[in-house]
Amino acid sequence: GEDVEQSLFLSVREGDSSVINCTYTDSSSTYLYWYKQEPGAGLQLLTYIFSNMDMKQDQRLTVLLNKKDKHLSLRIADTQTGDSAIYFCAEEGVTGGGNKLTFGTGTQLKVEL
Amino acid sequence: DAGVTQSPTHLIKTRGQHVTLRCSPISGHKSVSWYQQVLGQGPQFIFQYYEKEERGRGNFPDRFSARQFPNYSSELNVNALLLGDSALYLCASSLDAGMIQETQYFGPGTRLLVL
Repeated sequence: GEDVEQSLFLSVREGDSSVINCTYTDSSSTYLYWYKQEPGAGLQLLTYIFSNMDMKQDQRLTVLLNKKDKHLSLRIADTQTGDSAIYFCAEEGVTGGGNKLTFGTGTQLKVEL
Repeated sequence: DAGVTQSPTHLIKTRGQHVTLRCSPISGHKSVSWYQQVLGQGPQFIFQYYEKEERGRGNFPDRFSARQFPNYSSELNVNALLLGDSALYLCASSLDAGMIQETQYFGPGTRLLVL
């Protein structure tokens, strides 16, 4: 079965790098996603990575994937106060003609001045 | 282009009542999925619909049902509401279903409070 775990809280200073970690259990997952949720809002897609890749960079975001350990991380360079939000990793499962995302519990990122 | 839209934005119901939530996908997207997000947790998968057919169901009771219309919009219905149904209900749309890397784009959600 699928299970996705994240640490609950991360605090960084503005301008530093943030690293948010995630572990997943479903080895058949093909794509893994990072979403951002600001207070009272829906989920904003940040980036995704295919499971046969080990790294993907997109502007200030770097995703690292260790498939052997089923470990995913999101690095945000030069973290800004606007990055304060909850970050969710999610694994995609494809079964029965459909797709579903299994989410972690979310990591709350607080950026301090 | 408009993103995923949901209505209403907020809703207050009492136990035992019924609720209908609505979702319009991104133009050109044929699949709609529903997720429930209880406060402090990650979203949980409820349903996926594609071309008006159910393509997946999460671990939710039969009080939860959904349907998709010819214009690809969707409704989520919840009967006999319980206090534990209080949550943010998120709708997501994707181009297709059943293929790998079907990126899902989320709407702003409907916040349901059951008293």
